[in-house]
Amino acid sequence: AQSVAQPEDQVNVAEGNPLTVKCTYSVSGNPYLFWYVQYPNRGLQFLLKYITGDNLVKGSYGFEAEFNKSQTSFHLKKPSALVSDSALYFCAVRHTDKLIFGTGTRLQVFP
Amino acid sequence: KAGVTQTPRYLIKTRGQQVTLSCSPISGHRSVSWYQQTPGQGLQFLFEYFSETQRNKGNFPGRFSGRQFSNSRSEMNVSTLELGDSALYLCASSLDPSGGAFLGTDTQYFGPGTRLTVL
Repeated sequence: AQSVAQPEDQVNVAEGNPLTVKCTYSVSGNPYLFWYVQYPNRGLQFLLKYITGDNLVKGSYGFEAEFNKSQTSFHLKKPSALVSDSALYFCAVRHTDKLIFGTGTRLQVFP
Repeated sequence: KAGVTQTPRYLIKTRGQQVTLSCSPISGHRSVSWYQQTPGQGLQFLFEYFSETQRNKGNFPGRFSGRQFSNSRSEMNVSTLELGDSALYLCASSLDPSGGAFLGTDTQYFGPGTRLTVL
């Protein structure tokens, strides 16, 4: 069965420091992986996706993600965190017509 | 281009009532999916529609139903509401250029959600 795991409920980082939000996946077949962000009382905003090709995917708001097939990981990264990046982040894998989401990681960026 | 819109944004109902939520996809998008988000269960897939046909359904009871109209707008209905139905209901649309031959590469864009509270 397709699944994703986000091992950290919360990640704390100081503004200006690099951030990483972890995601591992389990899929049969080609992995189609996505990252979304959710701000309070809002829907999900698409950040980036990996379909095929380069293992480093660049997305919105300066975020990028590194696909690692041998470690079955798809970690979200940003070189320099902003306080405004504080939000709930979801990793997801596409299976047929639906997205299967991880449990989410709350990112807190401190000034 | 306008994003996915959902109406209403907030709803308060009592147990036993029924509710209808509406979703208008991004112009040109033909696939509409619905998800339920709760603190306990996280984000769970409800169903997906393409060309007025339900293509996929999640593990929810028959009280949850939906439909899609010819203009791709979608509604979901929950009958005989229970306290546990309190959740944020999210709608997502995607272009699905494959015309039904699912590729899995399409991006789903989400609306702001409808917050349903059942008392």
